[in-house]
Amino acid sequence: ETGVTQTPRHLVMGMTNKKSLKCEQHLGHNAMYWYKQSAKKPLELMFVYNFKEQTENNSVPSRFSPECPNSSHLFLHLHTLQPEDSALYLCASSPRTSGGVDTQYFGPGTRLTVL
Amino acid sequence: AQKITQTQPGMFVQEKEAVTLDCTYDTSDPSYGLFWYKQPSSGEMIFLIYQGSYDQQNATEGRYSLNFQKARKSANLVISASQLGDSAMYFCAMREGRGRRALTFGSGTRLQVQP
Repeated sequence: ETGVTQTPRHLVMGMTNKKSLKCEQHLGHNAMYWYKQSAKKPLELMFVYNFKEQTENNSVPSRFSPECPNSSHLFLHLHTLQPEDSALYLCASSPRTSGGVDTQYFGPGTRLTVL
Repeated sequence: AQKITQTQPGMFVQEKEAVTLDCTYDTSDPSYGLFWYKQPSSGEMIFLIYQGSYDQQNATEGRYSLNFQKARKSANLVISASQLGDSAMYFCAMREGRGRRALTFGSGTRLQVQP
């Protein structure tokens, strides 16, 4: 596989469930990101990881718990979510090379519905 | 104040014609980068073009060009010879400062190409 992949593509969960979103990049990049895209709102950054270390947390509620075991994989663990958390969750990666453009490349997203 | 403003919620263009999608930005940082992404109905964000704040020339990538007017803080995307496959949401995004990785996105413009 190439590029950035995300699984599952669609997820329906109850408010008491625990689930995880998975992201994998095959681009040899060192930085990975989680974004949330809600209806009628701009994309919002959630977390940034550089070389497996979290460098940004955009005031995300603790019911979202990221995990980055290595530079190629990124998870978003979900628990006790609210219906307003329903959104498209996009993962991205970038090379993180100093002096470069450091373009972010996105996966296809996971469409999450919280009932 | 919004960092990225896209004032056109929706645009129509005839096939084979050119179209300009507007983007204005707000930053006091002298070093920044501007990106345009395309998001088809499938959800994936596709990188189109990049313009750095110190770049002297307007960026071009195939049928895409960026009309960068620094004094006006605008970075409009021009798509030449529109194709039906160009129908999608288009997002302008900015990264401020050296070393920061996060992108700030605008609210997007939905482009519909008509045959």
